[in-house]
Amino acid sequence: AQSVTQPDIHITVSEGASLELRCNYSYGATPYLFWYVQSPGQGLQLLLKYFSGDTLVQGIKGFEAEFKRSQSSFNLRKPSVHWSDAAEYFCAVGAAGGTSYGKLTFGQGTILTVHP
Amino acid sequence: GAVVSQHPSRVICKSGTSVKIECRSLDFQATTMFWYRQFPKQSLMLMATSNEGSKATYEQGVEKDKFLINHASLTLSTLTVTSAHPEDSSFYICSARSPATQETQYFGPGTRLLVL
Repeated sequence: AQSVTQPDIHITVSEGASLELRCNYSYGATPYLFWYVQSPGQGLQLLLKYFSGDTLVQGIKGFEAEFKRSQSSFNLRKPSVHWSDAAEYFCAVGAAGGTSYGKLTFGQGTILTVHP
Repeated sequence: GAVVSQHPSRVICKSGTSVKIECRSLDFQATTMFWYRQFPKQSLMLMATSNEGSKATYEQGVEKDKFLINHASLTLSTLTVTSAHPEDSSFYICSARSPATQETQYFGPGTRLLVL
């Protein structure tokens, strides 16, 4: 079964500082990987995704993520955080085949607080 | 593109009544829709997978007679919480996916259910 771990429950950064949110996954084959962002009381917005190819993926709002197979990681980065980036971030792994095809398994989420 | 809506955004009902939540894909045909439940400060838990024109597939531990799912068209799925009780109070989020979205799930804004 697939699983996702986001080790950091809560991260606080200053506006303008760089950001890295960690994500580790467990999956038997090459996974589909996603990062979503959720503002309070809202649904999830897709930031970026990895299916195959270039392991460095660019997303919206200046975010990027790098797939590292050897480390089973898909960390999210942003060089300079804005106050509007404060939200909760979810990493998810999707099954590329088998009986769980298309299903997403989410990590526990990381709450990002941005100080002015 | 890939916009998903939910209605209502929030609902309050009395214990014992039934509540219907609608999920619509606005600009694409969703071959598959998913229903998630999110408790406060927790991640999303998949409840069921709904394919257009066929019966929903429920995750282990989800009562199919309590959470009725209908996916009658390629743009609409409904979740009916039958005989709701206070413990059913939660944030319910749907997502939709199709080959047109490159197998990526796009999420609705969520429905806040409060059962009194």
